[in-house]
Amino acid sequence: SQQGEEDPQALSIQEGENATMNCSYKTSINNLQWYRQNSGRGLVHLILIRSNEREKHSGRLRVTLDTSKKSSSLLITASRAADTASYFCATMTGGTSYGKLTFGQGTILTVHP
Amino acid sequence: DTAVSQTPKYLVTQMGNDKSIKCEQNLGHDTMYWYKQDSKKFLKIMFSYNNKELIINETVPNRFSPKSPDKAHLNLHINSLELGDSAVYFCASSQGASSGANVLTFGAGSRLTVL
Repeated sequence: SQQGEEDPQALSIQEGENATMNCSYKTSINNLQWYRQNSGRGLVHLILIRSNEREKHSGRLRVTLDTSKKSSSLLITASRAADTASYFCATMTGGTSYGKLTFGQGTILTVHP
Repeated sequence: DTAVSQTPKYLVTQMGNDKSIKCEQNLGHDTMYWYKQDSKKFLKIMFSYNNKELIINETVPNRFSPKSPDKAHLNLHINSLELGDSAVYFCASSQGASSGANVLTFGAGSRLTVL
């Protein structure tokens, strides 16, 4: 079964609004990562949060991690049409050298101009 | 220069054929991966190699055979293609242990359609 599950499956907002995506997982993790995938392209790494961290920021991105609830959220502030993409959480389990990165099914974000 | 490049980008073939997808990375990374993304966007790891050594082999039919001639290349050969093999196959690489975090850099994907 999947390690990560994301919610909502699809999100549609207006430019300038904030977008929040959630991810839940099942087992202990080393770190949790978020990736973006534009239509027809490969995934691009956005941000990584380690299991001993609770919050991390990168530009307009804010990620939180609650290991007690086995959940994470990605907040994109002041969204732009260019943020339209699928967003995936991925959990790293096992050793950091030979660990496995397991992806959720993604949230499709549409930002209307 | 493209960091992780895979060829071909599109592949249309008949059931029963054998095909290969090639992947090369110029990032100097130690670890390379193959992921399969199905029509519902679910991304599942298939294989991982570290310095030409197989380290992850998920439950994949043995019709799929990865080959890593050197740490910059990881190819995927698929025998006796089936309709269910239709998907987008992504190659990725990571620095592995030296980065301590395993952040992946993905290729653009190879869309395989089996008719």
